[in-house]
Amino acid sequence: GIQVEQSPPDLILQEGANSTLRCNFSDSVNNLQWFHQNPWGQLINLFYIPSGTKQNGRLSATTVATERYSLLYISSSQTTDSGVYFCAVDLNQAGTALIFGKGTTLSVSS
Amino acid sequence: DAGVIQSPRHEVTEMGQEVTLRCKPISGHNSLFWYRQTMMRGLELLIYFNNNVPIDDSGMPEDRFSAKMPNASFSTLKIQPSEPRDSAVYFCASSLLWPNTQYFGPGTRLTVL
Repeated sequence: GIQVEQSPPDLILQEGANSTLRCNFSDSVNNLQWFHQNPWGQLINLFYIPSGTKQNGRLSATTVATERYSLLYISSSQTTDSGVYFCAVDLNQAGTALIFGKGTTLSVSS
Repeated sequence: DAGVIQSPRHEVTEMGQEVTLRCKPISGHNSLFWYRQTMMRGLELLIYFNNNVPIDDSGMPEDRFSAKMPNASFSTLKIQPSEPRDSAVYFCASSLLWPNTQYFGPGTRLTVL
């Protein structure tokens, strides 16, 4: 089956720093999503980005489908950005389950 | 707009008891997913439905697990009998068929003693 690898596994930042999280996947995909799991366990949908670039405030994401990777950029990090960031993919266009990476754990200190 | 609703949020039960988890998807969504999250295995799919029909239940661990979706606005995941290794956070998610952006509920934290 498809493999989803995220790096780095852990990241520690000072408030205000920028960071880049990476997601590599082993096959062509039709759906790629980035999620943030906050310290209370809630999974929050950040981006639906099977290809191209999107931005939402301090966060942006780029997926290069032909090279099978996606990047999540966090600029001017804040303590509320702490948590686990997951990349998830699926192979099919119509209602198929997601396959998750193991996540990147981000800790932002003030 | 209400998101995905799950109940209960926390469940503590004893080994051997029946556990029923409930999910109400976002109105208008066609697909519903049940995932489980553990430290050892991360987030993994248990089962999903399209238009109330189960499509893939290959992730259901064994016959002790069953799931139903009697209508477009309600699904249940049942464990009978429960075992300590079933302790995990169970998430329900829903999406349109296309684009299939999945939205997750708050999860049910299950502890089986």
